Amino acid sequence: AQSVTQLDSQVPVFEEAPVELRCNYSSSVSVYLFWYVQYPNQGLQLLLKYLSGSTLVESINGFEAEFNKSQTSFHLRKPSVHISDTAEYFCAVSAYNTDKLIFGTGTRLQVFP
Amino acid sequence: DAGVIQSPRHEVTEMGQEVTLRCKPISGHDYLFWYRQTMMRGLELLIYFNNNVPIDDSGMPEDRFSAKMPNASFSTLKIQPSEPRDSAVYFCASSFNVGVGTEAFFGQGTRLTVV
Repeated sequence: AQSVTQLDSQVPVFEEAPVELRCNYSSSVSVYLFWYVQYPNQGLQLLLKYLSGSTLVESINGFEAEFNKSQTSFHLRKPSVHISDTAEYFCAVSAYNTDKLIFGTGTRLQVFP
Repeated sequence: DAGVIQSPRHEVTEMGQEVTLRCKPISGHDYLFWYRQTMMRGLELLIYFNNNVPIDDSGMPEDRFSAKMPNASFSTLKIQPSEPRDSAVYFCASSFNVGVGTEAFFGQGTRLTVV
């Protein structure tokens, strides 16, 4: 079975500051990794994903995440956040050739002016 | 495609009443998932279907919960009887060929309040 741990339930940060949202996973088999974002009163949207190849993946709005197999981590980073990045961020894992998408408990990113 | 469509967006009901949540997945997607989101437990997978067949319902809390998918374009999640602890946001999501890491598309959710 797979599991995802997001240790930080809330991350407050000032605008233009860097941010890192932590994600660790547990699995006995190889996995795909995802970050989803949920804006207020909306459903989840895919932000970025790691399937294979380069361990550093990027989104179109400046976020990046690095797959670290030895540390079983997939932390999300952005060098300079905007007010509009305020949202809840979910890390998720899916094992190869399985059907389940398992989510962490989420991290609420609050960006202050 | 309009995306995953859920109805109603909000539902307020009294304890003991039956509640039915509805979902229309994206056309062509062969997987459908029901999730429940609460402050305490985050996003929990309740049940999912592949080609209209329930594959894993181990996340369904108890017998009061049931889900059906009579055809490829419609699914329901029913709670009978409802209890205050069922209050949550329920999301439906659909995807194509999950086994190779494809994206899940979520509806906007149904906010259920049981009083």
